[in-house]
Amino acid sequence: EADIYQTPRYLVIGTGKKITLECSQTMGHDKMYWYQQDPGMELHLIHYSYGVNSTEKGDLSSESTVSRIRTEHFPLTLESARPSHTSQYLCASSGLDRGRGETQYFGPGTRLLVL
Amino acid sequence: EDKVVQSPLSLVVHEGDTVTLNCSYEVTNFRSLLWYKQEKKAPTFLFMLTSSGIEKKSGRLSSILDKKELFSILNITATQTGDSAIYLCAVGQGAQKLVFGQGTRLTINP
Repeated sequence: EADIYQTPRYLVIGTGKKITLECSQTMGHDKMYWYQQDPGMELHLIHYSYGVNSTEKGDLSSESTVSRIRTEHFPLTLESARPSHTSQYLCASSGLDRGRGETQYFGPGTRLLVL
Repeated sequence: EDKVVQSPLSLVVHEGDTVTLNCSYEVTNFRSLLWYKQEKKAPTFLFMLTSSGIEKKSGRLSSILDKKELFSILNITATQTGDSAIYLCAVGQGAQKLVFGQGTRLTINP
């Protein structure tokens, strides 16, 4: 079944650790996105990719980096986590959905807590 | 006071028509302008614009920003029923904040 996956779902780590949040989709979508969302607040786009080897910074400046070596995989890395990085991180992908046009699908999210 | 104003608030057209949605803004410390499409759950990203006069295009959708006149338009050509949604314009300012417009509710009738 085509879907979008994120791991881990929850992560509690100490300051200074390097972390990678994984995102994979099996829908063959070219476009993928990372959003950051604090509780009760709007989504902020932090990175997006329109295809392999294409990555762009989003609206909200972020100390994270991304890579897109394979179509299905769009990992996000924080080299040195800080408490200010505590948030929910949502991965999404989009493609043409027959009859509905371009449709964006969200993963379940990763809740990150940096102590 | 920072504000983002979208027009029209509601628009009903027939399938195949072309529509233009407007977004004007007055915000301090402008960073970027974003367009989103919202159907049921979280808004889905369409475009991010930071420079004047450079058209961004994705299929039948396109958008352009005018930083001198402080507005942006979102064009949808050959509309389909699947384009029915609320289209949100948001302006990013400073380091964190997004200011959203009220949205334009677009209905495409077959």
